[in-house]
Amino acid sequence: QVQLQESGPGLVKPSQTLSLTCIVSGGSISRGGFYWNWIRQHPGKGLEWIGYIYHSGSTNYNPSLKSRVIISVDTSKNQFSLKLRSVTAADTAVYYCATGSQAWNLHFDYWGHGTLVTVSS
Amino acid sequence: EIVLTQSPATLSLSPGERATLSCGASQSVNSSYLAWYQQKPGLAPRLLIYDASSRATGIPDRFSGSGSGTDFTLTISRLEPEDFAVYYCQQYFTSLTFGGGTRVEI
Repeated sequence: QVQLQESGPGLVKPSQTLSLTCIVSGGSISRGGFYWNWIRQHPGKGLEWIGYIYHSGSTNYNPSLKSRVIISVDTSKNQFSLKLRSVTAADTAVYYCATGSQAWNLHFDYWGHGTLVTVSS
Repeated sequence: EIVLTQSPATLSLSPGERATLSCGASQSVNSSYLAWYQQKPGLAPRLLIYDASSRATGIPDRFSGSGSGTDFTLTISRLEPEDFAVYYCQQYFTSLTFGGGTRVEI
C-alpha cells in the first residue's frame, strides 16, 4: 500500500517561494504509468489541482498556476517536490500530494495527510 | 478548462434516506473520466467512484455512480451516520478539475 507524507515549512512570507516535499513509501516512484500529483485546498473551500510529475521528469501543470509552479522528482530518494514562487495570502492552503492505484489514470486512491501552509509576514 | 458544477450545495437528510448528488460539466467528459470523493473535516479526500461508475476498493455498495457526457450522479442508497460529509466530483478527461462540492448534512 502506497503511503505519502508531505513535509515543509508551515509559514512562508509573501513574495517568497513555497517548497514542499512528498515522501513516498510502500511503492516505487519509478514504477511506470503513475503520476505524482500536488493538490491544494484553501481554508473552507474546494480542491484545486496544481500539477503532476512522471518519474521521467515530464510534468503537467494547472494553467492558472503554471507560471509560478515547478514540480520535480528525486527517484533516488523516492520523493517529489513542489515549488511555488511569488506567493501571496491567496496561496494559503492545505497542500496534499496524491497518486492513483491504476496506471495511466488521474483519479487518486492515495493521499498524504496534507500540510497547512500559511503565507504571512 | 472544464468547469464542474455540483448541486445542491447542501443536502439535508436523515440516516436511512437516499442521497442524490449531481455534477454537471461545461463540456463533455468523454470516456466518462469522472471520479467522486468523500471528505470529512481534517482529513484528505477518499476516492469513492472512478470512471463515472466503478467503485473504488473497499467502498460499500450503497455508493453508486452514473452518467455520461455532461451529467453525472452520485447516489447513496441509504445514508449511514458516517456518510455525512462533503462530496466532490473530479474530471480527468481534459487537464484536471474538481467541482465545488456538496455537503451532506443531518
